[in-house]
Amino acid sequence: EAGVAQSPRYKIIEKRQSVAFWCNPISGHATLYWYQQILGQGPKLLIQFQNNGVVDDSQLPKDRFSAERLKGVDSTLKIQPAKLEDSAVYLCASSLGRTSLSDTQYFGPGTRLTVL
Amino acid sequence: KQEVTQIPAALSVPEGENLVLNCSFTDSAIYNLQWFRQDPGKGLTSLLLIQSSQREQTSGRLNASLDKSSGRSTLYIAASQPGDSATYLCAKGNYGQNFVFGPGTRLSVLP
Repeated sequence: EAGVAQSPRYKIIEKRQSVAFWCNPISGHATLYWYQQILGQGPKLLIQFQNNGVVDDSQLPKDRFSAERLKGVDSTLKIQPAKLEDSAVYLCASSLGRTSLSDTQYFGPGTRLTVL
Repeated sequence: KQEVTQIPAALSVPEGENLVLNCSFTDSAIYNLQWFRQDPGKGLTSLLLIQSSQREQTSGRLNASLDKSSGRSTLYIAASQPGDSATYLCAKGNYGQNFVFGPGTRLSVLP
């Protein structure tokens, strides 16, 4: 079974530029998550999708971050414009069902973003 | 504000030792608690999940316990091996919400 795929693996940009990350979840998984992991901290949930609908985006900085999951499969996360404090690893995860707390989440390798 | 802390931040042990990683959380209203492993450059892998009605879970050399009243969970690793070297994170599942992660404990097992 193929895992969660993410690209790119690394990205370096200057502040005020824009950047986009892509995630392809495990086939058949209804729920998709985007996390931000700052160095030395645990992951923080940015947004959760169930199929192509948003379940939780309470911690997404909506003035600069946006995400979509068209057709309920793969997803993109965009930052525009980037700030220095956005430097982090962005993790994508997926789970089979809709009960996020009990479902096993499968994580991708992450995209490491450096904002200069 | 929900807080999850982990002590120690880093730990180095010789191969073969038994060790305990600690996780503490505020707010005893917990749905479940999960332990993850994170290898450098990789995502997280779920190790054990303890429901709020349970006191412990075991998988191989790993045993996780949950004490809701004291707001603590421990991950016990028996007979540690160099392959156990990784960062271990605990995550508290809250009713009606998602997981809140701790900052992790970075474990090094020396051969």
